[in-house]
Amino acid sequence: EVQLVESGGGLVQPGGSLRLSCAASGFTFSNYWMSWVRQAPGKGLEWVANIREDGEEIYYVDSMKGRFTISRDNAKNSVYLQVNSLRAEDTAVYYCARERAYSYGLFDSWGQGTLVTVSS
Amino acid sequence: DILMTQSPSTLSASVGDRVTITCRASQSISNWLAWYRQKAGKAPKLLIYEASTLESGVPSRFSGSGAGTEFTLTISSLQPDDFATYYCQHYNNHSPYTFGQGTKLEIK
Repeated sequence: EVQLVESGGGLVQPGGSLRLSCAASGFTFSNYWMSWVRQAPGKGLEWVANIREDGEEIYYVDSMKGRFTISRDNAKNSVYLQVNSLRAEDTAVYYCARERAYSYGLFDSWGQGTLVTVSS
Repeated sequence: DILMTQSPSTLSASVGDRVTITCRASQSISNWLAWYRQKAGKAPKLLIYEASTLESGVPSRFSGSGAGTEFTLTISSLQPDDFATYYCQHYNNHSPYTFGQGTKLEIK
């Protein structure tokens, strides 16, 4: 069974940083693109970034370039999102999601999410 | 970026009703369109991809249609489990993957 488990969220002050983690199991992690998608409270879904199977190709939504960094460690079956210079508007549940093979951006498995709250 | 617009934003219906949600893309996306269902407090779940292909394990009361810029999701006979929020999303290239704003399906 595919499982994605996020961690690392929490309460952080404006300007602060967090490193979100997503541990994968139940599939060959190194064969899949992985994404982060976020959802502000009461709002819709917003794709954040994704990373190729080998980590050598990465994309971000323009509004988060420079502040967010996606990475992966295939030996640990994990994908990460480093989030810096946090703002109140970054408050959201952050989901990691697996992209179906040969279908860029089709999210066929999701984690339960980790909540990031940016507040003083 | 491709803008995805869903209508309606909220839909009230009863168990057993047939409902349709519409999604429009700001430019042609061929059939690279997915639908997700999100129950309150849970992660989204993939229902349909390539506009009309049912994901494995999804009940046959769900169907999708459309191509180009206009798409629909139909639920033929609403079940209690279906009262949730539905999102469309375009995918399959490396431009930002954008979602519609969501349609909340409520019990009438």
